[in-house]
Amino acid sequence: EAQVTQNPRYLITVTGKKLTVTCSQNMNHEYMSWYRQDPGLGLRQIYYSMNVEVTDKGDVPEGYKVSRKEKRNFPLILESPSPNQTSLYFCASSFHRTTNEKLFFGSGTQLSVL
Amino acid sequence: RKEVEQDPGPFNVPEGATVAFNCTYSNSASQSFFWYRQDCRKEPKLLMSVYSSGNEDGRFTAQLNRASQYISLLIRDSKLSDSATYLCVADSDSWGKFQFGAGTQVVVTP
Repeated sequence: EAQVTQNPRYLITVTGKKLTVTCSQNMNHEYMSWYRQDPGLGLRQIYYSMNVEVTDKGDVPEGYKVSRKEKRNFPLILESPSPNQTSLYFCASSFHRTTNEKLFFGSGTQLSVL
Repeated sequence: RKEVEQDPGPFNVPEGATVAFNCTYSNSASQSFFWYRQDCRKEPKLLMSVYSSGNEDGRFTAQLNRASQYISLLIRDSKLSDSATYLCVADSDSWGKFQFGAGTQVVVTP
């Protein structure tokens, strides 16, 4: 089944403890992206990747890192999480970032930083 | 100012009625527009792309007005299952960047 898989689904952590949220897609998609969703603000783009070893900042990249060593994986790394990073995170992918390209989303990761 | 703005609603709609709502975008360079549907804190799913000529998919009709920089979504013969949040999306002038609106909530009542 074609899908984007995110793990974990829920995560509670403490300030400063490094964490990684994994994202994997099995559709051979070139484009992958991370979003965070907060009430009243909608989805905001954190980082995106147009292909392997190519990553770019979105609108809210501060406090996050990503890597794209393989086409299928695009992990989101929080080196030193803070409470303002408490949010619902979504990973998404598409074959290529072209006009009218459908985004496939993972099921989301609810992160709470205490 | 946010690049994509939506009325948060909720739009309370009797079953079988028609509901329509708009989304405005500020970046005149945006070329691609979409409507996504999101059920409570679940992943967004593409509802439809929005073409310059407008497009229809069953009970759903999307329109683009470039002059006034807004897109619209109309839902005819509303079903209870249409209750959701509808997200408006526009691409940015940078490759790979998308701007999402905060969503319009639609509640269809029996």
